[in-house]
Formats: sequence, C-alpha cells, structure tokens
Amino acid sequence: GQQLNQSPQSMFIQEGEDVSMNCTSSSIFNTWLWYKQDPGEGPVLLIALYKAGELTSNGRLTAQFGITRKDSFLNISASIPSDVGIYFCAGQLGNNDMRFGAGTRLTVKP
Amino acid sequence: DSGVTQTPKHLITATGQRVTLRCSPRSGDLSVYWYQQSLDQGLQFLIQYYNGEERAKGNILERFSAQQFPDLHSELNLSSLELGDSALYFCASSPGTANQPQHFGDGTRLSIL
Repeated sequence: GQQLNQSPQSMFIQEGEDVSMNCTSSSIFNTWLWYKQDPGEGPVLLIALYKAGELTSNGRLTAQFGITRKDSFLNISASIPSDVGIYFCAGQLGNNDMRFGAGTRLTVKP
Repeated sequence: DSGVTQTPKHLITATGQRVTLRCSPRSGDLSVYWYQQSLDQGLQFLIQYYNGEERAKGNILERFSAQQFPDLHSELNLSSLELGDSALYFCASSPGTANQPQHFGDGTRLSIL
C-alpha cells in the first residue's frame, strides 16, 4: 500500500524558533491532512488541504499541498511550549482510505 | 472536543481475556474507523465501517472484530488477548463522503497484564 515518509522523526527547538516538517509519498493523494496528538489524547485535525499547490494557514501554522500531489509540509512559526506533541501527516484517497506518516515528535524548550 | 466519544478510557485485563471497546461517532457522521497505536508508534489502521457495513480492512488480526450498529455507534471486540495487544485504540469518524477528514476520539488505553 501507499507509504508516507515523514521527517524529521523528532525535533528539539528553542521557544520562539520556527519549525518545518514534511511528508512525501511515492503515490498521489487527493487530500493531505495534518494532525497533532498531545500525550494521552487523540489526534486533533490542524489543517486539511484539498488542491495541489494549496497553501493554508491556521494561526501560526502553515501547510502546503505539493504540486505533484505526492508531498506536503507543515510550518510552525514562533513556537511556544504548548506546541509540544506529535505531529502526523495523512494522505487521503477519494474513498476515505487514509494513510498516516510515522509522526514528528516536537519538543520546545522554554 | 472532537465529538467522537470512546469508552472506556482505560481497560486493564489479563491474557486470554476478551474486551469490547465502544465508539460513538460525531453527529451526522456515517463512517467509523478503528486504529491501533502502540507505544511511541504511529497509527495503524484496523477497519472501517460505513452506515453499518464493513468498508475497508487494514492490519486487523483475526482475533479482532468490529461492527457498526443501526444507531451508528461501533464496537471493537478483541479476544484471546496477548501482551502485545497492549496499546491505545482510537476511533475516528467522518461524514463518509469523499475527501472529508476524520475526527478522532481520545482513545481507549488497553493494558494486558
């Protein structure tokens, strides 16, 4: 099946720094999504992207749907301690089949 | 609050036992998905139901089964439990139409002793 390669696996940054993570695939997806998971909780949808080339922001978060439909990135600007968590990318096909990346674990040092 | 409700939040049991996890989807969502997340691992898709019928199957063991009821809630049954089944089990729901994102519950943490 389709595999998503998410990188980096983990990041340790200082509060106030910007963060960038990405997902690539050998297959095309119709939708790219980014989720955040806090410890002991379920993943929460951050951003959904529906068109190739689409650039969408949600507060300090910005994500883009790659033009080839095989990749996506997520940027977080001016990180704060509550940004700590695991970020998952997901690629979705039209039939609701969704594949998840392995996650990027973000640690923010005050 | 995603609107997806999972019960129980925690479950502790022994090897060889059987448990049932329950999920109520968001109001109006017809599709329910089950995922397994082991310690520090990603989300492994188990199974999807749409309006009461099985729609897709992932890496679900034969010891596991699920169903979706007429009121759209779903149950995941895990039997002959093994130590390796200890994990977080998440339910997600979506409207069921194409390209609609899934919304997740807070999961059930299953511990096998």
